[in-house]
Amino acid sequence: DGGITQSPKYLFRKEGQNVTLSCEQNLNHDAMYWYRQDPGQGLRLIYYSQIVNDFQKGDIAEGYSVSREKKESFPLTVTSAQKNPTAFYLCASNPGQGYEQYFGPGTRLTVT
Amino acid sequence: GENVEQHPSTLSVQEGDSAVIKCTYSDSASNYFPWYKQELGKRPQLIIDIRSNVGEKKDQRIAVTLNKTAKHFSLHITETQPEDSAVYFCAAKVRGTSYGKLTFGQGTILTVHP
Repeated sequence: DGGITQSPKYLFRKEGQNVTLSCEQNLNHDAMYWYRQDPGQGLRLIYYSQIVNDFQKGDIAEGYSVSREKKESFPLTVTSAQKNPTAFYLCASNPGQGYEQYFGPGTRLTVT
Repeated sequence: GENVEQHPSTLSVQEGDSAVIKCTYSDSASNYFPWYKQELGKRPQLIIDIRSNVGEKKDQRIAVTLNKTAKHFSLHITETQPEDSAVYFCAAKVRGTSYGKLTFGQGTILTVHP
């Protein structure tokens, strides 16, 4: 089912805590992406990475951080600086040659 | 940067009717236009895509049309079935940007009534 996994499926945190969302792919894809999904707003790009040890900010990077130490892994940290962290987070990857993005199953983060 | 507008935000049809969702984009350099379907609680999945050198593409009951002059593209679903009920997203990729970087529309909630 696409070879991209995200964990956990549901995550609950208290306000003020940092939390890291996992994204792993075994598709040997170069590019990886993080999106945030809120009702009525589509998918908004947080960060993306084209190669290991390199990543760029997307449209809504404030309050988030990422790393790309391995080709297979692209974890996203939601920091306490993110004002409205409650959302559905989707990771995706792309082989770098074609255009299709393959999505992971998502993590629903709730911060109270 | 690229901006993609999608309409309508909700669409309700009777089983067997056709459904049409429209998107407009702002950057004339965009050259790839995918459509994704997302069922409740699931991941988005590509259902059809079109490149800028093609005006129309069909896959069984689904078709996409592209009008580069007007900078809009549309998804057409014929003979709709209840299992077509989902959220549909359009997207656009600007030529020359990092591979696969897409800008998404806001989504359309399609409901097909039996």
